[in-house]
Amino acid sequence: DVKVTQSSRYLVKRTGEKVFLECVQDMDHENMFWYRQDPGLGLRLIYFSYDVKMKEKGDIPEGYSVSREKKERFSLILESASTNQTSMYLCASSFSYEQFFGPGTRLTVL
Amino acid sequence: KQEVTQIPAALSVPEGENLVLNCSFTDSAIYNLQWFRQDPGKGLTSLLLIQSSQREQTSGRLNASLDKSSGRSTLYIAASQPGDSATYLCAPEGTYKYIFGTGTRLKVLA
Repeated sequence: DVKVTQSSRYLVKRTGEKVFLECVQDMDHENMFWYRQDPGLGLRLIYFSYDVKMKEKGDIPEGYSVSREKKERFSLILESASTNQTSMYLCASSFSYEQFFGPGTRLTVL
Repeated sequence: KQEVTQIPAALSVPEGENLVLNCSFTDSAIYNLQWFRQDPGKGLTSLLLIQSSQREQTSGRLNASLDKSSGRSTLYIAASQPGDSATYLCAPEGTYKYIFGTGTRLKVLA
């Protein structure tokens, strides 16, 4: 069975902290994605990666960076968390065009 | 820039009804389109993927069609059940990037 896991379901951080969100897939997929989901705005793509050490900016990359050192792991980094980064963060991986999502991390920045 | 609209935004129906959810997109130059369901506070679950060479896909009580030239996709749910209550999202895909609609929130009443 397809499995995408995210390191935390809920996370509370303070403004200015560096935040790491981890995503792991066990399906040997090439492509991985990070989205954020906000009410009324839907899912918006932050970054994606189509291979190890490769990354591409999505629609809203400002304030975020990513790391993909191993095929199965894709990390999202908030260099200096701000309150407007409070959101639901969703990771996905894809194979043959079909995307599979993790359970999400609800991040609150105080 | 691709824009995705889902109509209706919310729908409440009695159990047993057949229903149609609509998805329209502005850029017809897509490769594939995927339908998802999302339960409150959870990640997305893949329902159906319609690849570029296909016009429809079926899985159990679900049938999705795609008309790229007119920029439309529909998700048909037969004999709806209370367990179908969720938000349904469509996502057309163009070169790695999936653009999501804001979804149709469905409630099936017992």
